[in-house]
Amino acid sequence: GAVVSQHPSWVICKSGTSVKIECRSLDFQATTMFWYRQFPKQSLMLMATSNEGSKATYEQGVEKDKFLINHASLTLSTLTVTSAHPEDSSFYICSAREGTSYNEQFFGPGTRLTVL
Amino acid sequence: SQKIEQNSEALNIQEGKTATLTCNYTNYSPAYLQWYRQDPGRGPVFLLLIRENEKEKRKERLKVTFDTTLKQSLFHITASQPADSATYLCALGANAGKSTFGDGTTLTVKP
Repeated sequence: GAVVSQHPSWVICKSGTSVKIECRSLDFQATTMFWYRQFPKQSLMLMATSNEGSKATYEQGVEKDKFLINHASLTLSTLTVTSAHPEDSSFYICSAREGTSYNEQFFGPGTRLTVL
Repeated sequence: SQKIEQNSEALNIQEGKTATLTCNYTNYSPAYLQWYRQDPGRGPVFLLLIRENEKEKRKERLKVTFDTTLKQSLFHITASQPADSATYLCALGANAGKSTFGDGTTLTVKP
């Protein structure tokens, strides 16, 4: 199956700093990428949907100025958590999909963010 | 508001038995429904997709049913093995392509 990578796999940062997480589709072109956040023992919460070359669509309650998403190419999307605070500590997962909405999403391995 | 409920937070069964997981939803008309497996600290792995006009899908030891009248999907793992132990998520999809996930059911298969 298709492979999606995320980098870094974990990051620890000080409060107030910004953190960038990369999501890459390794062997297919990702028309659409999704960013999720998952707290312990909870389900995935969709944060935003991004299509290559256009602005991301954010879910209600997600601050677009705090969570900057860039989908500059068909194989790369980045999520930048700006001025991170301890409450932003979570497991961030991206997924990528090629083509139509009926195609399956391929998920990355996730990035564990801990803000001190 | 839209709501997805997966039958129980945890399900324990004996090896060799069939595991049945339930996904119920309200205030939603999904175009399709997907099941994923998630291991601790990892991203979800896609298992099966079933569309609104399909009743049943099979893949090896996995079977999914979809009843849009009952607003329910059942996910079966036959001849379960300890390696099947994981959290299973159902996700409802709309034509726009976004998926909404349930909280998951953690399955433990005991040898």
